[in-house]
Amino acid sequence: LAKTTQPISMDSYEGQEVNITCSHNNIATNDYITWYQQFPSQGPRFIIQGYKTKVTNEVASLFIPADRKSSTLSLPRVSLSDTAVYYCLVGAGDDKIIFGKGTRLHILP
Amino acid sequence: GAVVSQHPSRVICKSGTSVKIECRSLDFQATTMFWYRQFPKQSLMLMATSNEGSKATYEQGVEKDKFLINHASLTLSTLTVTSAHPEDSSFYICSAKPHLEQYFGPGTRLTVT
Repeated sequence: LAKTTQPISMDSYEGQEVNITCSHNNIATNDYITWYQQFPSQGPRFIIQGYKTKVTNEVASLFIPADRKSSTLSLPRVSLSDTAVYYCLVGAGDDKIIFGKGTRLHILP
Repeated sequence: GAVVSQHPSRVICKSGTSVKIECRSLDFQATTMFWYRQFPKQSLMLMATSNEGSKATYEQGVEKDKFLINHASLTLSTLTVTSAHPEDSSFYICSAKPHLEQYFGPGTRLTVT
């Protein structure tokens, strides 16, 4: 199971673009990269998933370099409601998912 | 996206009693479900993998006799905390994977008094 490393915390301001980088040096060939968002006292919520290059959906973009040893979650124009913990997870198929410590993002007005 | 529900959302029980938490996949079948525990300000810790029709697989350090898991159908897994103690108070979350992405339940807050 690939281990992931993220910054423990980040601060940003409303309206800014926020980029959170995750390193996963031991990612396996068939592993996907998935990002989740968690608010206090709630289960994690799926944000975005990718395998390589760039993936974009209505809430975020995910950038994955060619070597796939890292990935960057990009949140455009954040608001106060984006204050949450963000987890980067790596795995495939029915693999059990082991959570890292996540990144505590704090958006300031 | 897929929906996973949990019941109850909050439960308070007395020390020494047992409490059951249900996890349901509402719009898909799940042969495998996962149970996590989360303490305040900490990450989710995987407790066990629940397998439909067979025994659960527990992570190292998790007492299988204390945390009983039953996955009796393709849409329901239950976690029973037996002889609960205050240190079992935590936020319990289940999840399932209909496709590549994993979907999580809303969590159950257990308080043992």
